[in-house]
Parts: sequence; C-alpha cells; structure tokens
Amino acid sequence: QVQLVESGGGVVQPGRSLRLSCAASGFTFSSCGMHWVRQAPGKGLEWVAVVSYDGSNIYYADSVKGRFTISRDNSKNTLYLQMNSLRAEDTAVYYCAKSPSYYSGFDLWGQGTLVTVSS
Amino acid sequence: DIVMTQSPDSLAVSLGERATINCKSSQSVLYSTNYKNYLAWYQQKPGQPPKLLIYWASSRESGVPDRFSGSGSGTDFTLTISSLQAGDVAVYYCQQYYSTPFTFGQGTKLEIK
Repeated sequence: QVQLVESGGGVVQPGRSLRLSCAASGFTFSSCGMHWVRQAPGKGLEWVAVVSYDGSNIYYADSVKGRFTISRDNSKNTLYLQMNSLRAEDTAVYYCAKSPSYYSGFDLWGQGTLVTVSS
Repeated sequence: DIVMTQSPDSLAVSLGERATINCKSSQSVLYSTNYKNYLAWYQQKPGQPPKLLIYWASSRESGVPDRFSGSGSGTDFTLTISSLQAGDVAVYYCQQYYSTPFTFGQGTKLEIK
C-alpha cells in the first residue's frame, strides 16, 4: 500500500526539542524528493523543508532555518524532522509529502501529526 | 521568495455550476528551458491532508475527475471546476515549485450556495 505515516508529535514546552518521523511504503522512497509541510490550527499550508532523493540537497523555510533539521534514511524508508528550540508559533499539524523529483508537485501526503508547543 | 496570492478567499457556487479560483504569483513560474509552469493545485477537505489535483499548471493527477482543470501561464493561473458537486466542498491551494521556498497561496474556501 502506497502511504506515508507520520509519528512523533505531541505536547512540548517552549525551548524543548521533538523529532518527527515519516515512514514510507509502497513506492521507491530512495527516488523521491521529500518535504515537510505544516498547518497551524485553522490556518493555511506552510512549506517547511525539502530533502532531495539522496540527501544531498536540503532547503528550509526562513521560519525554521537554524532550528529544524530534515534528514532521511533510505535504508529504512524513513524521513525525519528534528525540531529544536520550539516556539508557540511552531504549533501545527506536520505533514510529510513526497514529490517525484525535487521540483515537482507533492503527489502523496501523510495524515499528519500534531505538534503543540505550550507551557 | 515567490508570493502566491489567490482570489477570492471564499466562494459559494450552486450545485452543477462552474467554480473558478485564481492564483497569481509575484514572479513568473514558467521555466524557459522546458516551457513548463511550476504550479500545482491541491484540494483539502476538513480533517484530511491535501490532495494533489493539478501539476505543471494544467496536467490532471491520475484519478482526478475531468471536471477539474487548470490553466494559465507565467504569473496568472486558474483552477476551474466545470460542474460543482457536493463532494467538492473544500479549501483549494495553489503552490509554486519553481524555486525554494515552495510557497502556497493562502487558500480559497469553496462552499455550496
């Protein structure tokens, strides 16, 4: 079954860290660009980060640059997002999504995992 | 960064009627080497993740009904639903993937009149 399944969300205090995972199945994970996109409660979509198929190209939104790290393990078909120095404004549902290449539409999305940053 | 601006913010259309959503980018997303517009449209229903409808501005994703169509080039794009069905109630987003950061429009909420 072709799918992406996120995990690792939860409630965390400001300034703390959290690591999200996205398990891929049913397609050739190592051939695809992978992204994290977030959606604050009641708000629109915000692209967060991208990693190329082999991990050699990575880019972040300015809002998370220097705090978040995207990575992938092609041997485990898994995408990660390490989130440090979390802020209240990072509260959102985090989706992982795949694209056939670095520059293409996002043709498969996970169901999302909720991250709540609150004291 | 490329700013994507959708209009209108919300739209109410009668069943069976045409719905049109516009998207404007702050700079061209047409790549001159391959003449492709790096523009996608997504549909998001309540409680669900987004779903890809259209890519390269006018190519319909597999399984998407042909009442959905995309058009436009350069900086101005349109998503058209030719005959609105009840199941089309959703928020629609455009997105450019021409350059990072891959920005989304603010979304257009489509409802039944």
